[in-house]
Amino acid sequence: NAGVTQTPKFRVLKTGQSMTLLCAQDMNHEYMYWYRQDPGMGLRLIHYSVGEGTTAKGEVPDGYNVSRLKKQNFLLGLESAAPSQTSVYFCASSSRQGLRSYEQYFGPGTRLTVT
Amino acid sequence: AQTVTQSQPEMSVQEAETVTLSCTYDTSESNYYLFWYKQPPSRQMILVIRQEAYKQQNATENRFSVNFQKAAKSFSLKISDSQLGDTAMYFCAFTFYGQNFVFGPGTRLSVLP
Repeated sequence: NAGVTQTPKFRVLKTGQSMTLLCAQDMNHEYMYWYRQDPGMGLRLIHYSVGEGTTAKGEVPDGYNVSRLKKQNFLLGLESAAPSQTSVYFCASSSRQGLRSYEQYFGPGTRLTVT
Repeated sequence: AQTVTQSQPEMSVQEAETVTLSCTYDTSESNYYLFWYKQPPSRQMILVIRQEAYKQQNATENRFSVNFQKAAKSFSLKISDSQLGDTAMYFCAFTFYGQNFVFGPGTRLSVLP
């Protein structure tokens, strides 16, 4: 049981390049989330998904796109990277059922630097 | 829109002592969920405690307990018998049934030997 995994762990991009971050969970959770964490700030929600094939915008969605084609995977895309997107990105998942509903399980994070 | 405020950017406590971290939030919803998460230097986010708003009883998990005041929209975390391993950033978080999670800016807690 790996929990929540993120690929890659580190990445350096040049301005204008594109990339995709992959999040995978093996807990059969319905909900998945992408956050960014900047120095001195808490986590800010980028996009989230409440089920396969659905996505919704969070607090800071501009410049990002997401897809949830399979229940266990949630992809975060940057079409044209900007220095302002330099951050640590976290993925999380949660279940809407049971005694531990809505408790988020987090991946280890991806450190992205855009130069 | 929901907001979460943590008014203490940094705190310190002596080992074995008790410390309380503050959190206030703003929402128009009547049922929701509140959480405290811990982020040690390893960067991994770890759940500390969970509270359902419709439950009046305060949640407890071993040395961790909360004081949930729904009318005041306050959700403080008490850590008893502080240990060196409790040194971390602590984040308060709110969600309305899993949608649109909102985190506070965090409190950096240092446990001193």
